[in-house]
Amino acid sequence: AQTVTQSQPEMSVQEAETVTLSCTYDTSESDYYLFWYKQPPSRQMILVIRQEAYKQQNATENRFSVNFQKAAKSFSLKISDSQLGDAAMYFCAYRRGGGGSNYKLTFGKGTLLTVNP
Amino acid sequence: DTAVSQTPKYLVTQMGNDKSIKCEQNLGHDTMYWYKQDSKKFLKIMFSYNNKELIINETVPNRFSPKSPDKAHLNLHINSLELGDSAVYFCASSQGDRVRGTQYFGPGTRLLVL
Repeated sequence: AQTVTQSQPEMSVQEAETVTLSCTYDTSESDYYLFWYKQPPSRQMILVIRQEAYKQQNATENRFSVNFQKAAKSFSLKISDSQLGDAAMYFCAYRRGGGGSNYKLTFGKGTLLTVNP
Repeated sequence: DTAVSQTPKYLVTQMGNDKSIKCEQNLGHDTMYWYKQDSKKFLKIMFSYNNKELIINETVPNRFSPKSPDKAHLNLHINSLELGDSAVYFCASSQGDRVRGTQYFGPGTRLLVL
């Protein structure tokens, strides 16, 4: 079974600084997708960024980028120029690829990010 | 325009009652999901429906019964509510194929069982 581990329960960063959130995963599959979701106090789950395992290039979305190390099964999220609105719980998630329709997300336990003014 | 909506947003009820949560998506997706987020914020899949067919049932007590009347709706009915059912329940939807399968979540329903 796939597992996702987020080893940092909490992180903090100063406004305008850069922070990196860690995520490792375990899978025997070669075709899969990785995601970072953000959950602010409003509790809405918001997709931040997505990475296809078959792509070597790291995904980027504005101030958010990932460092995807497939051999090491590592998928970290870098937030540049942190803003107060980035404060949230961040979840790393795994989804298999392949055929069929069982595409459940397996989540890590989350990292609570605090942004200090 | 709300992509994935859930009703109600909050639900407070007594142990032993039966309650339902409704979910609707207007994204044209063919797959819908229910996730449970416990008090420690851990998210876990409960059910998934693809084209109204049950695909995933993750060892959820049979007091929980999902129903999908059509591709745009997935409801969750819970019988004989227990204290441990208190959680936030999220509905999500995706286009089920491998490439487009990013899941989009509803706002969640906070259930409190007293």
